[in-house]
Amino acid sequence: EPEVTQTPSHQVTQMGQEVILRCVPISNHLYFYWYRQILGQKVEFLVSFYNNEISEKSEIFDDQFSVERPDGSNFTLKIRSTKLEDSAMYFCASSVWRQGDEQYFGPGTRLTVT
Amino acid sequence: SQQGEEDPQALSIQEGENATMNCSYKTSINNLQWYRQNSGRGLVHLILIRSNEREKHSGRLRVTLDTSKKSSSLLITASRAADTASYFCATAMDSNYQLIWGAGTKLIIKP
Repeated sequence: EPEVTQTPSHQVTQMGQEVILRCVPISNHLYFYWYRQILGQKVEFLVSFYNNEISEKSEIFDDQFSVERPDGSNFTLKIRSTKLEDSAMYFCASSVWRQGDEQYFGPGTRLTVT
Repeated sequence: SQQGEEDPQALSIQEGENATMNCSYKTSINNLQWYRQNSGRGLVHLILIRSNEREKHSGRLRVTLDTSKKSSSLLITASRAADTASYFCATAMDSNYQLIWGAGTKLIIKP
């Protein structure tokens, strides 16, 4: 069964460093998303991406964040200058058609900023 | 309460019993979805119910939606130890279909 994959599973970085989190969505899906979940807290929407551009973004998704689909399969989230409060699980998801459809999640990347 | 609030926050029951979790929301929605998250893992989609539906079943899962009360419930019948997980509701808003998530219910099934 097709699944969303994410790499790395765990990333440790120092404050101020840039990180790139990678995702491979399910191949026939059209919408891609990034969410984050601070330990023990609720899932927070960051951004949705469709047709090679951002379709929605939350107030969390400020200028420090960017997304890209550099080729036909990868979908990346870049954090330019990490802060301690960026430590969280980051989940990538994809859906077949529109945002409100069921979403398929990857296993997540645990980002630890020290 | 915020959009997509679950209650209870935590629920501990014996294996074989039924588990009921509730979700309330505030704004008009297109659909409501339930997801499961095992500890430290990704989220798994369980069921989607549209705003014009009142009840939906999938295996041991039964979801109801009451749009007049802006609430939904997830019933897991004949619970198993493997059902131990956190359960989240997520509402797809009518305006932009963005999923808004609740804080989750942590379900523990005791063998």
